[in-house]
Amino acid sequence: GAVVSQHPSWVICKSGTSVKIECRSLDFQATTMFWYRQFPKQSLMLMATSNEGSKATYEQGVEKDKFLINHASLTLSTLTVTSAHPEDSSFYICSATMDRAREKLFFGSGTQLSVL
Amino acid sequence: DAKTTQPPSMDCAEGRAANLPCNHSTISGNEYVYWYRQIHSQGPQYIIHGLKNNETNEMASLIITEDRKSSTLILPHATLRDTAVYYCIVRPSGSARQLTFGSGTQLTVLP
Repeated sequence: GAVVSQHPSWVICKSGTSVKIECRSLDFQATTMFWYRQFPKQSLMLMATSNEGSKATYEQGVEKDKFLINHASLTLSTLTVTSAHPEDSSFYICSATMDRAREKLFFGSGTQLSVL
Repeated sequence: DAKTTQPPSMDCAEGRAANLPCNHSTISGNEYVYWYRQIHSQGPQYIIHGLKNNETNEMASLIITEDRKSSTLILPHATLRDTAVYYCIVRPSGSARQLTFGSGTQLTVLP
């Protein structure tokens, strides 16, 4: 099946620094990608919808200036957590849909972010 | 998107069939039923989806009631590696819309 690669798998950073997470669709083009966040023992919560070549659409309560999303190509979307703080520590997951088969969403393996 | 209701947890003996129920009484005619699972600290994995007919693939079977208000995911021979949180989600077809996750069912396969 289609593969979504997410990197890095885990990252530890100091408070105040920025962290970039990459999400790539390896064998298909993805006009739309989604970014989710998951806190311990909770379900996935959608943060934003990333569209290739245009601005991302953020869910209510998600700060667009803090969580910068860039979807510069049909196979790559990036999420940058700017000036990270301990409360940003979470599991971040991206997903992508194939343009020609929009019934399925494929997910990356997730990035565990720990902010000290 | 229609809301789904799932039991918070279930146990199943290894080698037996695991039957995971889901209620989606407000489902619309153009909404598919999707099942994903999430093994601890990993991204969700697609299992199966269907509209109104029963579906089967190498992982599982999906049984949808005739009125489409509920469905059951069947893992025919559960293994320890099937221990995960299983999410039942309804979503319109043909659109690049996100999946909205509920709380899911924690399935624990016991040796």
